[in-house]
Amino acid sequence: SQKIEQNSEALNIQEGKTATLTCNYTNYSPAYLQWYRQDPGRGPVFLLLIRENEKEKRKERLKVTFDTTLKQSLFHITASQPADSATYLCALDIGQGGKLIFGQGTELSVKP
Amino acid sequence: DAEITQSPRHKITETGRQVTLACHQTWNHNNMFWYRQDLGHGLRLIHYSYGVQDTNKGEVSDGYSVSRSNTEDLPLTLESAASSQTSVYFCASSEASGSNEQFFGPGTRLTVL
Repeated sequence: SQKIEQNSEALNIQEGKTATLTCNYTNYSPAYLQWYRQDPGRGPVFLLLIRENEKEKRKERLKVTFDTTLKQSLFHITASQPADSATYLCALDIGQGGKLIFGQGTELSVKP
Repeated sequence: DAEITQSPRHKITETGRQVTLACHQTWNHNNMFWYRQDLGHGLRLIHYSYGVQDTNKGEVSDGYSVSRSNTEDLPLTLESAASSQTSVYFCASSEASGSNEQFFGPGTRLTVL
């Protein structure tokens, strides 16, 4: 069956450390992979997109990697801050007219 | 500034009642989506539309319907609300081409008693 898996356990890290979140998928061949941030009581907000032919994408303290052989994306937040605490969702664009398939999200908590 | 809004933000209803959740976007996007979010399931697609008069079923469409009479609005109707439809509902929109980045509304928390 087709599925997307993110770290099911919440991730707790110390301020200043690098947070690494994982998104694994099976039986998809996504054209793009996107990462979203969701704060409690709010809708998801787009952060980054990486294409299937890109290995790595950076935006400020964020870095995303995409390995289509391993069927995995890693999302890194360097020099993490308490304000980075949120749930992070990965989403696959499988080229079906803009439809996205979302993972269940990983909750990140950054402690001061 | 362009935005996407949902109303109501909170709704309590009874089993068997018809409920309509509103979604309005001013991005002028052709694509619009409805999701429900439940613990352990993430975001699941209910219905989506690629333009006026176009509607399509998503992964969990049973018991829900949508209509698209203009670009800005995609109301979601629960024909006969069931307790299993207690959830948080999100509307989203995206451009018809490009990266397919989706812009989400603030969500509607629906409780069916």
